[in-house]
Amino acid sequence: AQSVTQLDSQVPVFEEAPVELRCNYSSSVSVYLFWYVQYPNQGLQLLLKYLSGSTLVESINGFEAEFNKSQTSFHLRKPSVHISDTAEYFCAVSDPLGSGGYQKVTFGTGTKLQVIP
Amino acid sequence: DAGVTQSPTHLIKTRGQQVTLRCSPKSGHDTVSWYQQALGQGPQFIFQYYEEEERQRGNFPDRFSGHQFPNYSSELNVNALLLGDSALYLCASSSQVERRNTEAFFGQGTRLTVV
Repeated sequence: AQSVTQLDSQVPVFEEAPVELRCNYSSSVSVYLFWYVQYPNQGLQLLLKYLSGSTLVESINGFEAEFNKSQTSFHLRKPSVHISDTAEYFCAVSDPLGSGGYQKVTFGTGTKLQVIP
Repeated sequence: DAGVTQSPTHLIKTRGQQVTLRCSPKSGHDTVSWYQQALGQGPQFIFQYYEEEERQRGNFPDRFSGHQFPNYSSELNVNALLLGDSALYLCASSSQVERRNTEAFFGQGTRLTVV
């Protein structure tokens, strides 16, 4: 069974400061890893994903995450946050080798990022 | 491209009633998954439909059932509603053909309140 742990439920950070949102996962097989962002009263939007290849993946709005297999982590970072980054961030894992194609996504409990002006 | 659309956006039901939520997948997608997101929690997988059949199911009781139509749209039905069923219900679509494209596109969700 897969699981995702996001240890920080809330992370306050000042505008233009760097931030790291932590994510650890457990899985007995190889995984695909995702970060989703959820703004208030909205659905989930994919921020970035790791499927294979380079362990460092980037989003178009300055976020990046690094897949670390030995530490089973996929932490999300941004060197300088903006007010508009205030949202809840979910780390998620999916098993690419299951039968039937696309598999279910297992989510963490989320981290609320609050950017302080 | 309209993306994933869900209806209704909000719904209030009474305990014991039944509810049906609807989802239209993103154009070109043939697989629909449903998730329940309780307040302050991450989304929990309910089930996945492909080729009009339930392919996988999470840890939800039989009160939760679904259907997929030939046009790939889907319904989630919940019978005998409990207060604990109050949540945001999210639909996600994906494609079985493009197996390397494992990104799930989510709708805006249906906020169900059981009173």
